[in-house]
Amino acid sequence: KAGVTQTPRYLIKTRGQQVTLSCSPISGHRSVSWYQQTPGQGLQFLFEYFSETQRNKGNFPGRFSGRQFSNSRSEMNVSTLELGDSALYLCASSLPSGGLLGEQFFGPGTRLTVL
Amino acid sequence: GQQLNQSPQSMFIQEGEDVSMNCTSSSIFNTWLWYKQDPGEGPVLLIALYKAGELTSNGRLTAQFGTTRKDSFLNISASIPSDVGIYFCAGHNAGNMLTFGGGTRLMVKP
Repeated sequence: KAGVTQTPRYLIKTRGQQVTLSCSPISGHRSVSWYQQTPGQGLQFLFEYFSETQRNKGNFPGRFSGRQFSNSRSEMNVSTLELGDSALYLCASSLPSGGLLGEQFFGPGTRLTVL
Repeated sequence: GQQLNQSPQSMFIQEGEDVSMNCTSSSIFNTWLWYKQDPGEGPVLLIALYKAGELTSNGRLTAQFGTTRKDSFLNISASIPSDVGIYFCAGHNAGNMLTFGGGTRLMVKP
């Protein structure tokens, strides 16, 4: 079974631009979560989508948004990029139960650099 | 944001030695997870623990879910060079949100 895939793997943007990242979960997984990883803050939860609905949201500004499609693929968007948005963005998918057991499987991440 | 307290932050050990790391929280979790992350990659799930007091092994790895549900431990026996990486603990509650520890960077000297 194929794992979680994320595209692109690397992105370089400038301040003020916006960016869209894509995530394809493991086949049959309906829950997709997004995390931001930085050296200073570690791994921080952004939001989670299940059945095309945002089910949970972390403590990030409204510039960070996401969506999920009917095939469970998910995108996250960051508008008006700031230097501090430079990070590894990780997507994780969960079992069909909606992840009640907590097991999340991560993709390789998208490395975003904001100049 | 909230993080679990994971220690030690880093370890430099000799190949063949055993390794122990732990994670503590002020909050109770229903599930504890341990991940390993290699440079440039996403975290890979090593072990999942579901019940207080549970002890689970995965090869040379053994993890325990603390009886208070506020802590967890990971042990690696007979370390080898490919064990190098960053190990993260994570706690899970209703809401499908993982809260992560700060990570333990493991370095193994052949």
